[in-house]
Amino acid sequence: EVQLVESGGGLVKPGGSLRLSCAASGFTFTNAWMNWVRQAPGKGLEWVGRIKSNTDGGTTDYAAPVKGRFAISRDDAKNTLYLQMSSLKTEDTAVYYCSRGGMVYDYWGQGTLVTVSS
Amino acid sequence: DIVMTQSPDSLAVSLGERATINCKSSQSVLYSSNNKNYLGWYHQKPGQPPKLLIYWASTRESGVPDRFSGSGSGTNFTLTISSLQAEDVAVYSCQQYFSTPHTFGQGTKLEIK
Repeated sequence: EVQLVESGGGLVKPGGSLRLSCAASGFTFTNAWMNWVRQAPGKGLEWVGRIKSNTDGGTTDYAAPVKGRFAISRDDAKNTLYLQMSSLKTEDTAVYYCSRGGMVYDYWGQGTLVTVSS
Repeated sequence: DIVMTQSPDSLAVSLGERATINCKSSQSVLYSSNNKNYLGWYHQKPGQPPKLLIYWASTRESGVPDRFSGSGSGTNFTLTISSLQAEDVAVYSCQQYFSTPHTFGQGTKLEIK
């Protein structure tokens, strides 16, 4: 069974940093392109970024609002995806989901809430 | 960036009736070399993550009931639920994966009338 489990969310002050993790199981993580998608309270889904599999170059792409502040990485030995967030703003408050897929996203985690507030 | 616009923002349909949700992209998501539309549909129930329903604009994901169907091409797409069931109450979102950022529509809230 495919499982994606996010962790690391919490309350952080504006300007602070936080690292989210997504533990994957039930599929060959090494071959998967992975994504982060967020959802602000009461709002729609917003694509944050993605990382290709290392066999496909391991490169990353980011949405404009987070580019230069967020960094996606992966540890294939640990089957884990990461989202390092820095210079956080109040508008980054959201539930952050990890998902699998290079095009459509067929599996999603339950999400982890990040609240940026003073 | 490709902007995805859904209509309506909310919709109330009686049980057993048809529900139709539209999605328009600001530029074509049809890739001419393979004639595929890079468009997917998801629904999201309260407190849950999104679930993939349709990809390539009209291909149902495994396990998705056949009352769900997708149609359209280029810039205009439709998700149809042929006979609404109580468990279909959710927010429905389209997503283009033609180019990054993989943008989503704003969502359509579907309720029972």
